[in-house]
Amino acid sequence: DIQMTQSPSSLSASVGDRVTITCRASQSISSYLNWYQQKPGKAPKLLIYAASSLQGGVPSRFSGSASGTDFTLTISSLQPEDFATYYCQQSYSTPRTFGQGTKVEIK
Amino acid sequence: QVQLQESGPGLVKPSETLSLTCTVSGGSITNYFWTWIRQSPGKGLEWIGYIYNIGSTNYNPSLKSRVTILVDKSKNQFSLEMSSVTAADTAVYYCAREAKYDYGFEFDYWGQGTLVTVSS
Repeated sequence: DIQMTQSPSSLSASVGDRVTITCRASQSISSYLNWYQQKPGKAPKLLIYAASSLQGGVPSRFSGSASGTDFTLTISSLQPEDFATYYCQQSYSTPRTFGQGTKVEIK
Repeated sequence: QVQLQESGPGLVKPSETLSLTCTVSGGSITNYFWTWIRQSPGKGLEWIGYIYNIGSTNYNPSLKSRVTILVDKSKNQFSLEMSSVTAADTAVYYCAREAKYDYGFEFDYWGQGTLVTVSS
């Protein structure tokens, strides 16, 4: 199985802050990497696909990038509705695997 | 707009079989990978498996011996059966649609999730 390691597991930030979350794959997955946002009691919502493409309807303050097996989700200016847990997920092979999540909390 | 809705018992006894159904509305159940994913505090998000092309399946090796995913095209539904459950199978179970594009795959539609507790 491909292991996905996210960091940090949680962070505290203020509205307007720039936030960066990192995900590392245990082997090459090309750009087969998606990012999801999950709010309490809700299903995950697709934000970024193919490492850096913004899903329709997602605000442009969200962006993704890749360098080898390292992937980054950036929120350029954190908004109140962005406080949630974020997951990376590889779609390179089965079994599909997710990172353990990064909880973004209000500072 | 595609919508998915899970249904099934919220409480299952240890050693029994967990059975869930996902009803798909707003779109056809063909041409996608219809997936079950679960989420527990201890193990995060775990991919259980999918069914596609009305019959081909792919399961997580860690669960393969206990899992069956079936599809009922006439009802636009797919289902999950997991046998010999234990407390470790307690989780929120999601059904989801995985779509394949030139650039990869993505879970683009999800059900709301249903909590299944394994307890006597």
